[in-house]
Amino acid sequence: KAGVTQTPRYLIKTRGQQVTLSCSPISGHRSVSWYQQTPGQGLQFLFEYFSETQRNKGNFPGRFSGRQFSNSRSEMNVSTLELGDSALYLCASSPTPYEQYFGPGTRLTVT
Amino acid sequence: QQQVKQSPQSLIVQKGGISIINCAYENTAFDYFPWYQQFPGKGPALLIAIRPDVSEKKEGRFTISFNKSAKQFSLHIMDSQPGDSATYFCAARLIQGAQKLVFGQGTRLTINP
Repeated sequence: KAGVTQTPRYLIKTRGQQVTLSCSPISGHRSVSWYQQTPGQGLQFLFEYFSETQRNKGNFPGRFSGRQFSNSRSEMNVSTLELGDSALYLCASSPTPYEQYFGPGTRLTVT
Repeated sequence: QQQVKQSPQSLIVQKGGISIINCAYENTAFDYFPWYQQFPGKGPALLIAIRPDVSEKKEGRFTISFNKSAKQFSLHIMDSQPGDSATYFCAARLIQGAQKLVFGQGTRLTINP
């Protein structure tokens, strides 16, 4: 089976812009979660989607949003980018309530 | 309360030695404890996981030891190899019916040849 794919892999944006990241889960996995990874804060949970519904949300401002499509693919959007949003954004898909399999991430740099 | 504390931050082990990474938690609402391995430029890869009704789980050279009363769990890597050099994260899942992992801060492991 193909793994979790994320596009784009690298992105450079300017402060104030918005960005959309895409995630395609492993075939058959219906749950998709998003995490932000930074050197200072580590890995932090953003949100999780299951069957097109957001089931859980982390402690991030409303500028961070997401959605899931009927084919389980997911997107996350960050509006009004700030320098502190520079991070590796990771998507994970799950076949069960437990295991999560991560993609390679999208490296976002905000200048 | 939802924190997972991981130690040490970095670890250097000789080839063939045992690498031990420890994690501690406070919240009893965690019900699943995975370990992830991450290489530079890659996403975390699920290595091994345990549920709190089991005290130990072994998969190849990797073993998780779990102490429910102490709220601690650890990863042991036996016969450590240079290819094991990576950053390791412990994590814990909240019992909420939804996927939300709380991660430790990570341990950078270096295996010297």
